[in-house]
Amino acid sequence: AQTVTQSQPEMSVQEAETVTLSCTYDTSENNYYLFWYKQPPSRQMILVIRQEAYKQQNATENRFSVNFQKAAKSFSLKISDSQLGDTAMYFCAFDWGSQGNLIFGKGTKLSVKP
Amino acid sequence: EPEVTQTPSHQVTQMGQEVILRCVPISNHLYFYWYRQILGQKVEFLVSFYNNEISEKSEIFDDQFSVERPDGSNFTLKIRSTKLEDSAMYFCASSGPGQGTDTQYFGPGTRLTVL
Repeated sequence: AQTVTQSQPEMSVQEAETVTLSCTYDTSENNYYLFWYKQPPSRQMILVIRQEAYKQQNATENRFSVNFQKAAKSFSLKISDSQLGDTAMYFCAFDWGSQGNLIFGKGTKLSVKP
Repeated sequence: EPEVTQTPSHQVTQMGQEVILRCVPISNHLYFYWYRQILGQKVEFLVSFYNNEISEKSEIFDDQFSVERPDGSNFTLKIRSTKLEDSAMYFCASSGPGQGTDTQYFGPGTRLTVL
């Protein structure tokens, strides 16, 4: 069974600094997809970034980038130039391509301090 | 930009009552999902729906739950007889229309409170 682990329940960072959130997963699949979702206090789930396992190049979206290490089954999220609006829960999620369910980690609560 | 919408944003109900949560997926999407998140816990998959039938469901999705696409735009989740433990945030998501996995886009959620 696929599992997703986020080992950092809470993190904090100073505004304008860089922070990295960790995620590891376990799967026997070779082709799959990984996501980071952001959940601000409003509790809406917002897609941050997506990575296809068959792509070696790490995905980037503006200030957000990932470090995808397929052999290590690691998928960390780097937030550069942190902003107060980045304060949120961040969930790592896995999809092995069944058009079925996303498997979520337990989340990391990120606080950006002024 | 197209988005998934959900109504109501907050539903309060008495234990044993039926509730229907409504979702309007993104218009050209073909795959629809319901997830729930109990306060302070992770998001859990309930059910996926494609081509007017359930394609996958979790252990949580028992006989008390049902889903329906009553027309070309709405996607509903019904809980037949609510329990206290059904109190949670319920998220609808949609994806497609492409083949294979596509990104799931989530609605803003419905907070269900069962008293």
